[in-house]
Amino acid sequence: DIQLTQSPSILSASVGDRVTITCRASQSVTNWLAWYQQKPGKPPKLLIYKASISETGAPSRFSVSGSGTEFFLTISNLQPEDFAIYYCQQYETFPGTFGRGTKVEVK
Amino acid sequence: QVQLVQSGAEVKKPGASVKISCAASGYTFVSYYMHWVRQAPGQGLEWMGVVNPNGGDTDFAQEFKGRLAMTGDTSTQTVYMDLRSLRSDDTAIYYCARGAYDGSLSHFDHWGQGTLVTVSS
Repeated sequence: DIQLTQSPSILSASVGDRVTITCRASQSVTNWLAWYQQKPGKPPKLLIYKASISETGAPSRFSVSGSGTEFFLTISNLQPEDFAIYYCQQYETFPGTFGRGTKVEVK
Repeated sequence: QVQLVQSGAEVKKPGASVKISCAASGYTFVSYYMHWVRQAPGQGLEWMGVVNPNGGDTDFAQEFKGRLAMTGDTSTQTVYMDLRSLRSDDTAIYYCARGAYDGSLSHFDHWGQGTLVTVSS
């Protein structure tokens, strides 16, 4: 199975900050990568798919880059509603796998 | 709008089975595969398997083969996930999630609210 390693596991930040989460794959996933946001007690919510396509309704302050084995999710001008856990998911190779998550918490 | 509504929380003893439902609405049920993803308490996400509501084809992660079943009922637009021989480490929230693409590999554009399954003697 493809392993996805997210870093950092916890990111402490303040409203207005710019933060970046990294997702590294154990082998290339080309651009078959998605990002999800999960808040406590809620299911994950799709933010980005196919590495760079924003889901309808995803705020423009979320941006992405990368391909192959290294991907980045950047949140610019962090808002209070952005404090959550973020997961990457690859769907290049069966079985689809998720990273262990990055918690963005209040500094 | 697309809605996936799951059945309620379950408490099961080790060795028992659990069957969770996921009622879909707001889209053409047979046009999208439905996946199941679980999340152990405080842990990450784990893909379990997928069912094609149009025909019933399934595909499962290796670790669940032999004790996992998934079915779809087109008359009620509901999919079911049946996990047998439950163990304590099956305690988790189970989500149904709609696949945006056909097949076993996809991202998930809509999720159910989750069903907590607790396995305890």
